[in-house]
Amino acid sequence: GDSVTQMEGPVTLSEEAFLTINCTYTATGYPSLFWYVQYPGEGLQLLLKATKADDKGSNKGFEATYRKETTSFHLEKGSVQVSDSAVYFCALSIPSGTYKYIFGTGTRLKVLA
Amino acid sequence: DSGVTQTPKHLITATGQRVTLRCSPRSGDLSVYWYQQSLDQGLQFLIQYYNGEERAKGNILERFSAQQFPDLHSELNLSSLELGDSALYFCASSVDGQAGEKLFFGSGTQLSVL
Repeated sequence: GDSVTQMEGPVTLSEEAFLTINCTYTATGYPSLFWYVQYPGEGLQLLLKATKADDKGSNKGFEATYRKETTSFHLEKGSVQVSDSAVYFCALSIPSGTYKYIFGTGTRLKVLA
Repeated sequence: DSGVTQTPKHLITATGQRVTLRCSPRSGDLSVYWYQQSLDQGLQFLIQYYNGEERAKGNILERFSAQQFPDLHSELNLSSLELGDSALYFCASSVDGQAGEKLFFGSGTQLSVL
């Protein structure tokens, strides 16, 4: 079935380090791909999205490219800040008869000053 | 503030009981989603409604039920509660419930079953 797989966390980095959080997916059809972020005590909020192959989503210094050939949508940021500490969720949605929005298990990021 | 309102924020109850979680979607959004977030299973999709009708169903137990009312608010009913039902329950909404749409999440209801 359709699914999203994320790298296990927590990921701990020093401020200004480079971030990569891996995400791969399995889906029938042509999914849209998303990254959501959850700050402590809050609900999820959309960080970025891409709706077709080779699209790059970007926001707040974060980027992810929709790679159909490797079924991946890895999240990257060149220089993380302490304020980026949160849980990051990769997700997909497919326009099918049983349309649903599927999330990965989340990756906790801790950024140390 | 996402514009999605969930009540109550916290709920403590005992095994075997029944509870109702409420969600008011963002103004203008017709679709509502329910998710269960637990430490060991991440964010699990339960059910989606669009304009009062069920659109998609995920891993929702038979003890759980939901509905979306004419004013578009939604309720998730959990009955015969078990310890394992303790989790954070999120509601989200979107404009049309179509693939590719952004979801707006509420801040969740933390359910503790003792």
